Amino acid sequence: GAGVSQSPSNKVTEKGKDVELRCDPISGHTALYWYRQRLGQGLEFLIYFQGNSAPDKSGLPSDRFSAERTGESVSTLTIQRTQQEDSAVYLCASSLGFGTSGLLLRTQYFGPGTRLLVL
Amino acid sequence: DQQVKQNSPSLSVQEGRISILNCDYTNSMFDYFLWYKKYPAEGPTFLISISSIKDKNEDGRFTVFLNKSAKHLSLHIVPSQPGDSAVYFCAASDLGGYQKVTFGTGTKLQVIP
Repeated sequence: GAGVSQSPSNKVTEKGKDVELRCDPISGHTALYWYRQRLGQGLEFLIYFQGNSAPDKSGLPSDRFSAERTGESVSTLTIQRTQQEDSAVYLCASSLGFGTSGLLLRTQYFGPGTRLLVL
Repeated sequence: DQQVKQNSPSLSVQEGRISILNCDYTNSMFDYFLWYKKYPAEGPTFLISISSIKDKNEDGRFTVFLNKSAKHLSLHIVPSQPGDSAVYFCAASDLGGYQKVTFGTGTKLQVIP
């Protein structure tokens, strides 16, 4: 596709339920990132993928959060037993890749986000 | 520890005037800096970037200045237009590791017609 897409665009769930958020990166982008933005706050890094591997999961807020990526394409962020504090906009971004040269490799392009509301 | 700081949560500027958005960072390993613009209900959009080997990068009405000694960068928008009204995020990444990008908390710019 032309850009990063995310689904659903909005999700309302009850506390304690599990949710799955999907991200389709730009075709050919090997790097994929997940961020969270709570109301009135900045972007909080959650996890990134290099290919299908996630070298650093330290940004995930708790063990209720997990993510996977398959085929160096689609990624899913799963939140188990959702809590009200999980309410936020979840943003996905992708970039061409990594490298010490070619800084444009690191420029991230964002999807529109998934607005999650936990009641 | 907030490694990228945008100390002004909001800024109002008259149409046609210059908008200056500021950003400070603490990590001396950062070598690539970016500005993103975000409209409500949309994801951030890449605007302009600068490498640490430069002190200025210009793209149309947008210019980013980098002062490495002060660990400070700024985004200048000249002339400002009402369509520029958005939240602007400063971001930085370093050469090491996986080039994780650290974002500031954003500055909401309002351009008054």
